[in-house]
Amino acid sequence: EIVLTQSPGTLSLSPGERATLSCRASQSVTSNYLAWYQQKPGQAPRLLIYGASSRATGIPDRFSGSGSGTDFTLTISRLETEDFAVYYCHQYGYSRDTFGQGTKLEIK
Amino acid sequence: QEQLVQSGAEVKKPGASLKVSCKASADTFTSDDIEWVRQATGQGPEWMGWMNLNSGNTGYAQKFQDRVIMTRDTSISTAYMELSSLTSEDTAVYYCARYRPVIRNAFDMWGQGTMVTVSS
Repeated sequence: EIVLTQSPGTLSLSPGERATLSCRASQSVTSNYLAWYQQKPGQAPRLLIYGASSRATGIPDRFSGSGSGTDFTLTISRLETEDFAVYYCHQYGYSRDTFGQGTKLEIK
Repeated sequence: QEQLVQSGAEVKKPGASLKVSCKASADTFTSDDIEWVRQATGQGPEWMGWMNLNSGNTGYAQKFQDRVIMTRDTSISTAYMELSSLTSEDTAVYYCARYRPVIRNAFDMWGQGTMVTVSS
């Protein structure tokens, strides 16, 4: 099983700042099938990024994904108040999916 | 509008079985996979398995292999996840989500979640 380790556990930033979230895999993610989700309290996860760097439909361009192999990054270029939430990475596509434990992005 | 609509909250006794439904739009039901994911309070999501709505083929996470069954009823565009031998550790929100194998764009649509509480 591929273990996904997200860091930091909590990130405290102010609106307008840049956020950089990390997801490290215990082994290479096949075909870079790595996704990022945003989750707010009481809601289902919302897909932001798939295939490591492709934005999902309707996702603002301040969200970007990068990386390959075992190291992946989600960047939010200029934080808006609605971006403060929990973010999860997810490796998928080969019936052995796993999720990271999450990074909480909170207002400083 | 494309959406996944899940059945309502459940309270179960230890040892009982659970069956959660997930109703999809007709477009989704013809070609996609339905994935099942659960999330305990304060934890990350946990993948349970998938079912292809067209073929009925399934794949289960090893952790759940012995006590999960995923089925579908094509006449009403509904997928089901049944989990047996429940314990308190199965208390979680259960989600269904859509995966399009041809596009491989991860889980792009989610149900609203079904809260399941296992308690004596």
